This record gives sequence, C-alpha cells and structure tokens, in this order.
Amino acid sequence: DAGITQSPRYKITETGRQVTLMCHQTWSHSYMFWYRQDLGHGLRLIYYSAAADITDKGEVPDGYVVSRSKTENFPLTLESATRSQTSVYFCASSGGQSLTGELFFGEGSRLTVL
Amino acid sequence: GQQLNQSPQSMFIQEGEDVSMNCTSSSIFNTWLWYKQDPGEGPVLLIALYKAGELTSNGRLTAQFGTTRKDSFLNISASIPSDVGIYFCAGQSNNYGQNFVFGPGTRLSVLP
Repeated sequence: DAGITQSPRYKITETGRQVTLMCHQTWSHSYMFWYRQDLGHGLRLIYYSAAADITDKGEVPDGYVVSRSKTENFPLTLESATRSQTSVYFCASSGGQSLTGELFFGEGSRLTVL
Repeated sequence: GQQLNQSPQSMFIQEGEDVSMNCTSSSIFNTWLWYKQDPGEGPVLLIALYKAGELTSNGRLTAQFGTTRKDSFLNISASIPSDVGIYFCAGQSNNYGQNFVFGPGTRLSVLP
C-alpha cells in the first residue's frame, strides 16, 4: 500500500531553471492538491484538481503550472524558478465526490532555489 | 493572506500535562479539521468536525466546533513525548470554493 508518494524529496536548483515535482497516488482518489509550506504561513494551496483533466487555481498559483492527464498523477512545474519559491511542497489527495476534509498528504518535497 | 489564526504559536509543557489550543477566524466555516505534522512528514488528520457545537474525541484528543462557527478548540490530555509536533487547524467554507484554509500552526514541545 504505497499511498501517496512525492519525488524528489529534496531538490536544489538555480534561478530561472524549470523544475517539476511529481506526485503519485494509488487510491484512485478524485481530488489532488498542491500546497506549499512556509514558516509563519502554514499550508497555502497552489493548485488543485477535482478529476483528470480538471484543474483550478488555489491561493498562490503564480509561477506554477499543473496538469492531470491521469487520475493517479499530478505533477507541479515551476517554469522559471525564483528564490521566493524556495519552500516545502506537499501533495495531497482526497477521495469521494466532494471534499470531505480527509486529505492524505505525501511526505513533502523540499525545494531550494539559489 | 492568512484567514485563520492559531494560538498559542508555540508551547512547552511537561509530560503528563493537559494542552489546549485554539483556532479562530473572522469568517464562518462549515467544517473544522485538526491535523498533526511530525518533523519531516506530511500532516495527518486527527479529528474532523462537521456541525456547530460538535465535540469529538480521538483517544486523548478532544476537539470542539465552536457554536459561532468561527472557532475550534483542540485539547490533548496527559501529554506524552510523541505528541511533539505542529498542530494545524483547517476550515472549509463556501467562501473559499470548498477548499480548505489552513492556520499557521501551533508548535508543541513536551519536556520529559
């Protein structure tokens, strides 16, 4: 039972480079989410997806791109990384037809942009 | 910006003590959730509350959905070392498109 996995767990990149963070879940959950966690801000929603090929912006979407061609995968791309995008990124999923609150989180991807 | 406030921001307690923390907002929420995050891990759901006034327990943890629907409380009884971590509240509201808004967290340290 793999659950929800993120890769890479740690990534160091340079300003201006493209970075993709991967997220894979094995539960066939409908909903998937990307959050970033920064000191003093808690978790802030970047993008979410209600189903394959359906994505929508969250609170802080600028500078990020997502796609969801398959239910189980929800990659997050930083097209041109900036230092302000240094953060810990969490992917989460939730089952059912509507959001119930039981979000299952991955272990996080720690990204440093130099 | 941040819509939920949590207090205290951090706390140090002795093992065996009871702990209380709360989450407040200026907005009404339909659902309140409490999560715990261990170092280097993702948050894990502790308790979910769906109705104003609801009181729900999960082992030594008890949480309440405030009657005004603008706040929630989490209590931990007889704390143990593994209670160490960051506790997040999260609220769900029609105002935020059914997505969840997270508070900034309360960092709990338990001294032996």
